[in-house]
Amino acid sequence: NFMLTQPHSVSESPGKTVTISCTRSSGSIASNYVQWYQQRPGSSPITVIYEDDQRPSGVPDRFSGSIDSSSNSASLTITGLKTEDGADYYCQSYDSSSRVFGGGTKLTVL
Amino acid sequence: EVQLVQSGAEVKKPGESLKISCKGSGYSFTNYWIGWVRQMPGKGLEWMGIIYPGDSDTRYSPSFQGQVTISADKSISTAYVQWSSLKASDTAMYYCARSETGMTSNLDKWGQGTLVTVSS
Repeated sequence: NFMLTQPHSVSESPGKTVTISCTRSSGSIASNYVQWYQQRPGSSPITVIYEDDQRPSGVPDRFSGSIDSSSNSASLTITGLKTEDGADYYCQSYDSSSRVFGGGTKLTVL
Repeated sequence: EVQLVQSGAEVKKPGESLKISCKGSGYSFTNYWIGWVRQMPGKGLEWMGIIYPGDSDTRYSPSFQGQVTISADKSISTAYVQWSSLKASDTAMYYCARSETGMTSNLDKWGQGTLVTVSS
């Protein structure tokens, strides 16, 4: 199996932009879709990005996803940060045998 | 409204067996996969496996193969994960989640979670 590596934590001020990376250890990041999930404390996760760069209905367009084959990584970018964006964010992808989650990134907005 | 409703919190002793459930409603239960995700206290999400209730096709994460059994009863729109002999390290929140496919689609709807505590 492969691993997805995320920064443990990031911090930014309201109104700013933050990018969270997710680097795949083996296999091409572009070969298998990447999803991003947001988990607020005490709540179940929800999808904020699916299929690399698609946004579910109801998710603000401040959230966007991208893939960079050169670094074999995916990124979640949140613009115009709000305090309510503070949460844990997980990337997730798969190979032929299993899905894999990244370790999660704690976003602090202050 | 699509809903996944999980069974309530459990407190068990090491060595005991357990089966927790996830009931789907508001959609065709047999046309979507149901996956299971573990979250140990203060830790991240871990993929356990997934089942297609339509034909009970089941895929396990290598880390959980042989450690749990995932099943489904399509007649009552319910999926399960069970342990035959719990360990303290099974203490965690367990989530079920729906997916259009076994691997490629996102988990578009999640249950509220079932907290399992294993302690002597």
